[in-house]
Amino acid sequence: AQSVAQPEDQVNVAEGNPLTVKCTYSVSGNPYLFWYVQYPNRGLQFLLKYITGDNLVKGSYGFEAEFNKSQTSFHLKKPSALVSDSALYFCAVRGMDSNYQLIWGAGTKLIIKP
Amino acid sequence: EPEVTQTPSHQVTQMGQEVILRCVPISNHLYFYWYRQILGQKVEFLVSFYNNEISEKSEIFDDQFSVERPDGSNFTLKIRSTKLEDSAMYFCASSEGVPVYEQYFGPGTRLTVT
Repeated sequence: AQSVAQPEDQVNVAEGNPLTVKCTYSVSGNPYLFWYVQYPNRGLQFLLKYITGDNLVKGSYGFEAEFNKSQTSFHLKKPSALVSDSALYFCAVRGMDSNYQLIWGAGTKLIIKP
Repeated sequence: EPEVTQTPSHQVTQMGQEVILRCVPISNHLYFYWYRQILGQKVEFLVSFYNNEISEKSEIFDDQFSVERPDGSNFTLKIRSTKLEDSAMYFCASSEGVPVYEQYFGPGTRLTVT
């Protein structure tokens, strides 16, 4: 069965420090991978995606993610965290057996402390 | 920037009643989706819709659910006879294409069934 795991319910980082939010996946074939962010009372906002090519993809708000096929991971990173980055982050994947549905991780709450 | 909108933001209904959740996707998008998130659980795919028909649905999307695009702008999810377990946040999304395109999400409708 296809699945996405975000092993950390919460990640705490001091402002200015680098941050990493982890994601691993299990799908058939080559995956299409996505990161979304959710602020309170807002919808899921697209951050970045990996489809093919360079394993390091860059997205909105200075975020980037690294695709690692051997470790089936797609960790979200940012070199220097801002307090405004505090939000709920979701990893999602589309496997090769569906053109439509995204399969979601449980979400990781990111807290950036001043 | 174009965005997906949803109404109402919160709907309270009694068990057994019909509810219609409404969405206005981004105007040039062709693919539409409904997802739900029960409190404390993962986001789950319900259905995708393209060219005025369902393109894919999950096991959750049983006979009590239906979707419709009644005009050129709205996309609706109907639950015919609500159950307590239908209480969840329902997200509408749209995309330009499939499968590599990202989906853009609305802010959600919180459905409470009493």
